[in-house]
Amino acid sequence: SQQGEEDPQALSIQEGENATMNCSYKTSINNLQWYRQNSGRGLVHLILIRSNEREKHSGRLRVTLDTSKKSSSLLITASRAADTASYFCATDGDSNYQLIWGAGTKLIIKP
Amino acid sequence: NAGVTQTPKFQVLKTGQSMTLQCAQDMNHNSMYWYRQDPGMGLRLIYYSASEGTTDKGEVPNGYNVSRLNKREFSLRLESAAPSQTSVYFCASSEWGTGYTFGSGTRLTVV
Repeated sequence: SQQGEEDPQALSIQEGENATMNCSYKTSINNLQWYRQNSGRGLVHLILIRSNEREKHSGRLRVTLDTSKKSSSLLITASRAADTASYFCATDGDSNYQLIWGAGTKLIIKP
Repeated sequence: NAGVTQTPKFQVLKTGQSMTLQCAQDMNHNSMYWYRQDPGMGLRLIYYSASEGTTDKGEVPNGYNVSRLNKREFSLRLESAAPSQTSVYFCASSEWGTGYTFGSGTRLTVV
């Protein structure tokens, strides 16, 4: 069953603006991961944040994790047209082999 | 380029036909996975192989079989295809506690 939930389901912003997506989950975790999927392509791993970490950066990406609220956010700064994609969060729950996936946030960057 | 290679990229089957989806990775990862992705939904795990020589059912295994041929290769077989198996199939690989590397997907239509 899908226990991860991304919010919002869809987001449309102007190029150059920041985009924030949220993920909530239900079980305790060891780590939480964010992935990007361009239309018709495979998923690409962006960031993995462990349960003992609160914030992690990678280029224009910033991920936060609040285990007390069972939530995470992905911030993309200075968005570009190439950031147009669907973004998924996944948590390991009881097993690193059976990640729990959300349904994704569809991000559209308008030029 | 290092990564996960899936074949074929597209396939149309008639109900009742069988086929095997092939997957190979060259990153020396121990774990491999087969997922399906349906419109508006996150990924659902079909089967996984935690290490060479082992396979386990995921969330939606009915109608599928898998073979971990060696450390590099993990195939998915549909013995008698049904329209409900129309989907996009993704293979992935990983090491414990790290992000997954996905293939580019197989678009399967069963008519």
